[in-house]
Amino acid sequence: GENVEQHPSTLSVQEGDSAVIKCTYSDSASNYFPWYKQELGKRPQLIIDIRSNVGEKKDQRIAVTLNKTAKHFSLHITETQPEDSAVYFCAASNPGGSNYKLTFGKGTLLTVNP
Amino acid sequence: EAEVAQSPRYKITEKSQAVAFWCDPISGHATLYWYRQILGQGPELLVQFQDESVVDDSQLPKDRFSAERLKGVDSTLKIQPAELGDSAMYLCASSLGVRAEAFFGQGTRLTVV
Repeated sequence: GENVEQHPSTLSVQEGDSAVIKCTYSDSASNYFPWYKQELGKRPQLIIDIRSNVGEKKDQRIAVTLNKTAKHFSLHITETQPEDSAVYFCAASNPGGSNYKLTFGKGTLLTVNP
Repeated sequence: EAEVAQSPRYKITEKSQAVAFWCDPISGHATLYWYRQILGQGPELLVQFQDESVVDDSQLPKDRFSAERLKGVDSTLKIQPAELGDSAMYLCASSLGVRAEAFFGQGTRLTVV
């Protein structure tokens, strides 16, 4: 089955700096890669996603890049703000038999220091 | 805005007891997931439904866990008997399809004592 590795497990940055979180996946058939943000005590919420037919997607201060050959994708947050502090999860959707399942990484705790 | 509803929000149970969680997905969402999230880790898929059919339960401990979605709408997840190691957040999510955005419920935090 699919294995998603996420690094780093914790990341601390100063307000205004950029943050990068990286994920690798094992199943070359995976073709949908969402990123979720989970604030303390709250549900995970989708912040951005990318499909395998594109290499990069941007939404304001957030961008995601995908390298299918290397089987890795990354989340980039620019001009970080204290409210960006949360746990971020990457995920990959891969076929399991005739169906797809969503496999998550272990998460990155991002702390933005004011 | 439509949300995935889960109940209860919190549950404390003694080991060896039975416990059940309920999830009502967003209307029209055919795909429903149950995830277990241990503190400090990512969600781990327990079972995935497409309408009323189980399409993946490879990570579900079937000797004690069961899940059903009889009419293809709401779903229940049951643990019997509960063990100390089952303490975790149980998250339900739903999506229009397997490669569409998954929306999560608030979760049920289970504590087994």
